[in-house]
Amino acid sequence: EVQLVESGGGLVQPGGSLRLSCVASGFSFSNYAMNWVRQAPGKGLEWISHISTSSSTIYYADSVKGRFTISRDNAKNSLTLQVNSLRADDTGVYYCAREGPRAEYFQDWGQGTLVTVSS
Amino acid sequence: SYVLTQPPSVSVAPGQTARITCGGNKIRSKNVHWYQQKPGQAPVLVVYNDSDRPSAIPERFSGSNSGDTATLTISRVEAGDEADYFCQVWDSTTDHLWLFGGGTKLTVL
Repeated sequence: EVQLVESGGGLVQPGGSLRLSCVASGFSFSNYAMNWVRQAPGKGLEWISHISTSSSTIYYADSVKGRFTISRDNAKNSLTLQVNSLRADDTGVYYCAREGPRAEYFQDWGQGTLVTVSS
Repeated sequence: SYVLTQPPSVSVAPGQTARITCGGNKIRSKNVHWYQQKPGQAPVLVVYNDSDRPSAIPERFSGSNSGDTATLTISRVEAGDEADYFCQVWDSTTDHLWLFGGGTKLTVL
């Protein structure tokens, strides 16, 4: 059974930082590209970052570029999102998501970790 | 930039057929994927590549894509189908490479 378990969310002041983690199990992690998708309270889904299997290709949405850093450790089956310079509009649930074989969609999602940016 | 447009809400009686649309310019040229999200839960992929279903998804869920509109069809709707549904495409011309529609709330009357 595929499992993606996120952690690291919490309450942080504007301008602060967090390190979000996602631990994968039930599949060969190193064979799949991974992503982070977030959802503001009561809003829709927003893709924010992608990392390829070998970390050679990384993409960010403009809304987080320069502030967020995605990385992965295939030996530890883990995905990380370092989030810096947080703003109120970064508040939401952050999901890690495994891409499908053709890389155009997300075939598995974690349960999410909540990030709240507030003073 | 590319935009996906979904109706905010769709209502249907149990046992009837629900159709949720996703509009986009020449969307037929793209592969459209659909996710179901129940309150407090993570999204679940229900249709990919316009009309394929993951093995765990009931046959009642189907998809189509033509012209400027993709459609998720849920036949014989059940109370448990009440959820938010999001369409999604991959588009290299937009900032958000993996682009989602705004979502549709399906209400089972």
